[in-house]
Amino acid sequence: GAVVSQHPSRVICKSGTSVKIECRSLDFQATTMFWYRQFPKKSLMLMATSNEGSKATYEQGVEKDKFLINHASLTLSTLTVTSAHPEDSSFYICSARDLARGFVEAFFGQGTRLTVV
Amino acid sequence: SQQGEEDPQALSIQEGENATMNCSYKTSINNLQWYRQNSGRGLVHLILIRSNEREKHSGRLRVTLDTSKKSSSLLITASRAADTASYFCATGGPNSGNTPLVFGKGTRLSVIA
Repeated sequence: GAVVSQHPSRVICKSGTSVKIECRSLDFQATTMFWYRQFPKKSLMLMATSNEGSKATYEQGVEKDKFLINHASLTLSTLTVTSAHPEDSSFYICSARDLARGFVEAFFGQGTRLTVV
Repeated sequence: SQQGEEDPQALSIQEGENATMNCSYKTSINNLQWYRQNSGRGLVHLILIRSNEREKHSGRLRVTLDTSKKSSSLLITASRAADTASYFCATGGPNSGNTPLVFGKGTRLSVIA
């Protein structure tokens, strides 16, 4: 299947700082990528849809200024958690679907475990 | 918003036994997919069943779909310790296209050797 690479896999940051998470499609172009958040033993909650060359679409309740998304190329989307607080600690996962494969199955990054101290 | 609802939320079985997980959804679908997630990792696609299919097999996996009841089941036969993971169903709505999948709450499967 197609490969989506997410980096870093783990990050610890201090409260008030910003953290950037990268999501790359390695062997296909992704005009759209999806960012999810997952709490322990819970399901994935869609945060936002990242669109190449345009603004991201955020789900209700997700703060746009808090979670900045940039999709500057067809293979890279970034999620920046700004002014991080301990309650932002979570597991963040990106995914993308491949046009060449009919946009059917989703391919996921490895996830990023964010801990804000 | 959550689309699928899996049950049970947690399942513990002995190696060699079969594991059955169920999923219900609310809206019309084009297809339903099952994903697996090892602890602290991303999700891996397991199997897809289209809305006009009733049953599908892949190795030790068997998926059924009942669109009249808006439900699906995933059966893992002859389970192994390596099958220990969380399993999620996901739907993408009635139309094809590059839309986000909506995931159920998941079933945490523990296979005891």
